[in-house]
Amino acid sequence: GAGVSQSPSNKVTEKGKDVELRCDPISGHTALYWYRQRLGQGLEFLIYFQGNSAPDKSGLPSDRFSAERTGESVSTLTIQRTQQEDSAVYLCASSSSSSGTVYGYTFGSGTRLTVV
Amino acid sequence: SQKIEQNSEALNIQEGKTATLTCNYTNYSPAYLQWYRQDPGRGPVFLLLIRENEKEKRKERLKVTFDTTLKQSLFHITASQPADSATYLCALLRGDSSYKLIFGSGTRLLVRP
Repeated sequence: GAGVSQSPSNKVTEKGKDVELRCDPISGHTALYWYRQRLGQGLEFLIYFQGNSAPDKSGLPSDRFSAERTGESVSTLTIQRTQQEDSAVYLCASSSSSSGTVYGYTFGSGTRLTVV
Repeated sequence: SQKIEQNSEALNIQEGKTATLTCNYTNYSPAYLQWYRQDPGRGPVFLLLIRENEKEKRKERLKVTFDTTLKQSLFHITASQPADSATYLCALLRGDSSYKLIFGSGTRLLVRP
């Protein structure tokens, strides 16, 4: 597609429920990133996928968080047993492996997650 | 670990003036430093990138400088306009195999008409 698409744009869930967030990167972009942004804060790295290489999961805050990506297509971020501190905007970005260092990363508009 | 510091207080300036935003980092010098603009409810949008061996980069009314001795980047918007009002994020890329961007918390810019 023309840009990075994320769904849903807003999600309200009850504490303890599981949620799944989806990211459609730009076609042909091999690199995909998930970030978390709490209100008034900067972006916190969660996970990085590059082609068929093993993902860099070093930013996942706990084992309740997991992410998958099939090849160079859609990625899903799953949060199990949600807690109120998980409330944030979850942003996805993509880049080709070379253009990320020249043209930056292209971000989606994010999914605003609210845990009540 | 790497830390990035941006002024958390909003920068409030008059239309037509030059806005200057600061990004300071600790620890290692990044291979690349990027600046993004973020509007409320939207994801960040890439503006400019500068490499560690570059001192200055320009794009239209935007200018970025990179001083690896001071571990600082300055971001300038000349002839500022109310439409420039947004939060500006500094991000560092180490350039190793992970290609992981590390972001500052951003500085909010308000341009008064």
